[in-house]
Amino acid sequence: EAQVTQNPRYLITVTGKKLTVTCSQNMNHEYMSWYRQDPGLGLRQIYYSMNVEVTDKGDVPEGYKVSRKEKRNFPLILESPSPNQTSLYFCASSPRTDPGELFFGEGSRLTVL
Amino acid sequence: QQQVKQSPQSLIVQKGGISIINCAYENTAFDYFPWYQQFPGKGPALLIAIRPDVSEKKEGRFTISFNKSAKQFSLHIMDSQPGDSATYFCAARSRSKIIFGKGTRLHILP
Repeated sequence: EAQVTQNPRYLITVTGKKLTVTCSQNMNHEYMSWYRQDPGLGLRQIYYSMNVEVTDKGDVPEGYKVSRKEKRNFPLILESPSPNQTSLYFCASSPRTDPGELFFGEGSRLTVL
Repeated sequence: QQQVKQSPQSLIVQKGGISIINCAYENTAFDYFPWYQQFPGKGPALLIAIRPDVSEKKEGRFTISFNKSAKQFSLHIMDSQPGDSATYFCAARSRSKIIFGKGTRLHILP
């Protein structure tokens, strides 16, 4: 089944404890992206990648890191999480580098205490 | 310039009625305008999309109307059903970035 898989789906952590949210797609898509969804703010892009080893900032990259060492994986790293990073995170992929349809994962709900 | 402004924030429609959600943009470099539908606990999924050289696109009960000169586009859901209750996002693409509106929570009364 074609899908975008995120882990963990739910996580509660404390300020300053490094964490990684993994994202993997099995559709051989070129483009991958991370969004955060907050009430009243919609979906805001954090980082995106058009190919292996090619990443670029979205609109809200502060406090996040990403890497794209393999085509299928695009982990989101929070080096020192803070409470304002409490959010619902979505990974998405697209077969095109000028993305048409985005295929989203089911989301990862992160709480930073 | 990169914003997509969406309204209303929430919408209640009777079953069988027409649901209308509006979006506006400023950046003339946007070249693709998708609408996404999101159910609780799920990721957004593409519903319908339009390019700026087309004024209207219809897929079943869903229609996008696009006004290039006004920089506005809207989603119309005809014969709205309770199963259409969801959050809807308009979006716009500029090169490799897709910018989303803030979303509309639609509730269809049975």
